[in-house]
Amino acid sequence: SAVISQKPSRDICQRGTSLTIQCQVDSQVTMMFWYRQQPGQSLTLIATANQGSEATYESGFVIDKFPISRPNLTFSTLTVSNLSPEDSSIYLCTTQQGENTGELFFGEGSRLTVL
Amino acid sequence: LAKTTQPISMDSYEGQEVNITCSHNNIATNDYITWYQQFPSQGPRFIIQGYKTKVTNEVASLFIPADRKSSTLSLPRVSLSDTAVYYCLVGDVNAGGTSYGKLTFGQGTILTVHP
Repeated sequence: SAVISQKPSRDICQRGTSLTIQCQVDSQVTMMFWYRQQPGQSLTLIATANQGSEATYESGFVIDKFPISRPNLTFSTLTVSNLSPEDSSIYLCTTQQGENTGELFFGEGSRLTVL
Repeated sequence: LAKTTQPISMDSYEGQEVNITCSHNNIATNDYITWYQQFPSQGPRFIIQGYKTKVTNEVASLFIPADRKSSTLSLPRVSLSDTAVYYCLVGDVNAGGTSYGKLTFGQGTILTVHP
């Protein structure tokens, strides 16, 4: 099973600044996914990050607000830009183990609080 | 993407069997049904996955009727540590599928196990 590590685990940021979240996987994976979980809510897919190509964003999420990098098969970053209190959430990185199992492995998440 | 409907919350007592049913009327031919468990401050964790009929592993069973429009997660003899949010997801787990990896999380079921 894939092991996913995220940094930072939590952070408190000021309005208008940006936060970059790092996600490291212990094995090479084709696709990585970024989810957001707002307080008391379920998870919402932000984007899919493939190595060597632009990330694919879901409806309601745009690259200017959530730029994503995927420099290699084990690493990805998500930046949350121009922060506002509404961005206070847990951001989770995940990958799908194998090609056909459908099992997503999640990191512990990065809890962001925007003041 | 197929939408899922689950009870918002359930209560049980230690030692009882818990059955959580999920409706997914618009499930597609290539979609699998996957259940995840999430504890506070942690990422979701895979429980079980199935396509049709019955699947059993060391922690749970998954019952899927022939029409696949619903599924039931069965947790035998729950303990206090099973108190968590349980998510039912449907999606294409095969690489190359149009919705590969894009698993949509519903609101989940908050299961509370009482002593």
